[in-house]
Amino acid sequence: QVQLVESGGGLVKPGGSLRLSCAASGFTFSDYYMTWFRQPPGKGLEWVSHISRSSSTISYADSVKGRFTISRDNAKNSLFLQMNSLRAEDTAVYYCARDLYGSGSLFDYWGLGTLVTVSS
Amino acid sequence: EIVMTQSPATLSVSPGERATLSCRASQSISSNLAWYQQNPGQGPRLLIYGASTRTTGIPARFSGSGSGTEFTLTISSLQSEDFAVYYCQQYHNWPRTFGQGTKLEIK
Repeated sequence: QVQLVESGGGLVKPGGSLRLSCAASGFTFSDYYMTWFRQPPGKGLEWVSHISRSSSTISYADSVKGRFTISRDNAKNSLFLQMNSLRAEDTAVYYCARDLYGSGSLFDYWGLGTLVTVSS
Repeated sequence: EIVMTQSPATLSVSPGERATLSCRASQSISSNLAWYQQNPGQGPRLLIYGASTRTTGIPARFSGSGSGTEFTLTISSLQSEDFAVYYCQQYHNWPRTFGQGTKLEIK
């Protein structure tokens, strides 16, 4: 069965960095675009970034552009999100999700998320 | 950016009754709308796409309708496992955006 497991979250000071990972299993990882979303505590969902199968196409939300970097390792079935210059407003649960059709439209499997807290 | 507005924020319904959730887009998105269900501590689950097509394994009591700017998710006979938060998401334009959610709670 398809599984996505995020890790790497934690407490970090403003201006600090974190690297999130998402371990994928149960499907051919290299066949799918992958996406990061986030959800601030008690709030709605926000698209953060996505990456194509071969990493040739990458997009970011304006709110994280220039600070976050998405990457993937198809040999290790893993997705990453390097987060630099973190701000209080980046505090959220971060989810990785599989892009159903590779168009950045629909997301059929999601992980349980990892909590990132940015606070001094 | 397309703003998605869901109503109501909270909906209290008794098990076995019908629930109707609404989602409005700030501009026309054709039928490029999906609905997700989220339970506490879990990631969202894709229920419906194309405004009205159920994904594999989603019970027939879930139905979606609408096009343009007005959309509806209807759950015909609520089961205990249906009480959750529901989000609509547009995939007509970038960035993809979500509504703020409707919490469906037991009355």
